[in-house]
Amino acid sequence: GAGVSQTPSNKVTEKGKYVELRCDPISGHTALYWYRQSLGQGPEFLIYFQGTGAADDSGLPNDRFFAVRPEGSVSTLKIQRTERGDSAVYLCASSFRDGYEQYFGPGTRLTVT
Amino acid sequence: AQSVTQLDSQVPVFEEAPVELRCNYSSSVSVYLFWYVQYPNQGLQLLLKYLSGSTLVKGINGFEAEFNKSQTSFHLRKPSVHISDTAEYFCAVSPNFGNEKLTFGTGTRLTIIP
Repeated sequence: GAGVSQTPSNKVTEKGKYVELRCDPISGHTALYWYRQSLGQGPEFLIYFQGTGAADDSGLPNDRFFAVRPEGSVSTLKIQRTERGDSAVYLCASSFRDGYEQYFGPGTRLTVT
Repeated sequence: AQSVTQLDSQVPVFEEAPVELRCNYSSSVSVYLFWYVQYPNQGLQLLLKYLSGSTLVKGINGFEAEFNKSQTSFHLRKPSVHISDTAEYFCAVSPNFGNEKLTFGTGTRLTIIP
């Protein structure tokens, strides 16, 4: 079956611009997670959705970052006024409602110039 | 809160030799433990997980790991490595509730020498 998909695979943007990153989870998975992986580091948690609501957004670094999941399936991570420090690979994962195993997408590589 | 330490950032190993990748964790609550592998230009793939029960868990591609609660460790082992095992390996932990965020270590790059 289809895995987690993320678009675009690569995004280059200028400092100060707005970007949107999309995640399409595995069908039937109600839980969705966003992580950020900087060069040479492990993934760091950003936000977790259960259904349409954000159950835990404690990892969002500041108010420039926002994520939505309006219909409980596809999610969009939105970054305003991008900074060079936002450059990283943004990973999305999904799991079943009471699942322990998270399935990861291939990530979106964001480069802010 | 949880934290994960992977002390070895890089591990070179000759082909067909055994390997152990070390992982230690810290947590104020009981945890689930995971090892993920990231092949070049690919996403994270689950190798194995410890939820409860037997402390020795077996995963895909011949890997296994042992949970040691007293030493707060979850080291990954393989008795004989292959060139195709070249990848980045991440240890991760979550509280044992289900549907909780993962806290990852910084990763260990395993390089297989022919």
